[in-house]
Amino acid sequence: GAVVSQHPSWVICKSGTSVKIECRSLDFQATTMFWYRQFPKQSLMLMATSNEGSKATYEQGVEKDKFLINHASLTLSTLTVTSAHPEDSSFYICSANPTATYEQYFGPGTRLTVT
Amino acid sequence: GQNIDQPTEMTATEGAIVQINCTYQTSGFNGLFWYQQHAGEAPTFLSYNVLDGLEEKGRFSSFLSRSKGYSYLLLKELQMKDSASYLCAVRLVNAGNNRKLIWGLGTSLAVNP
Repeated sequence: GAVVSQHPSWVICKSGTSVKIECRSLDFQATTMFWYRQFPKQSLMLMATSNEGSKATYEQGVEKDKFLINHASLTLSTLTVTSAHPEDSSFYICSANPTATYEQYFGPGTRLTVT
Repeated sequence: GQNIDQPTEMTATEGAIVQINCTYQTSGFNGLFWYQQHAGEAPTFLSYNVLDGLEEKGRFSSFLSRSKGYSYLLLKELQMKDSASYLCAVRLVNAGNNRKLIWGLGTSLAVNP
């Protein structure tokens, strides 16, 4: 099956700093990738849809200036959490699906802790 | 608006059968997914239904009725490792062909010995 990787798997940062999370499709090309956030014991919340070569589409209530998304190539999307605060601490997961398939493949997730 | 409902928690016994229901009301429909998620891990794909009926895959089966906006996931011969959260998601097809998924809140299944 298709493989999606994320880096880093976990990160601890200080309040006010920025953190970049990478999502890569290892064996397929993805024109679209999805970024999710998940708080403990809650379901996945779609933050934004990352589109290769164009601007990301953000869900209602998600600050585009705080969560910067760049989809520079067909295999890489990045999410940058700017000026992180403790309330941004969460599990961030990306997903993608190869062209002409229905299954979304998820990365292993990145656990962000802001102190 | 979009709405997906599933029970919050369920408990079952090892070796038994459990059915997890999911109902949905969405503005579009292009398939329903079930994913399994263990605590602290990313979701893993279980099943996909786009036509009415039952799809069987080993110990897991999934059923869909589009007219009723209803699906269920059936787990047979339960094992302790099946203790996890089960997420129901509906795929929408919107402008630009982004295959966005709308997610339910998940059903936390506890399998007891």
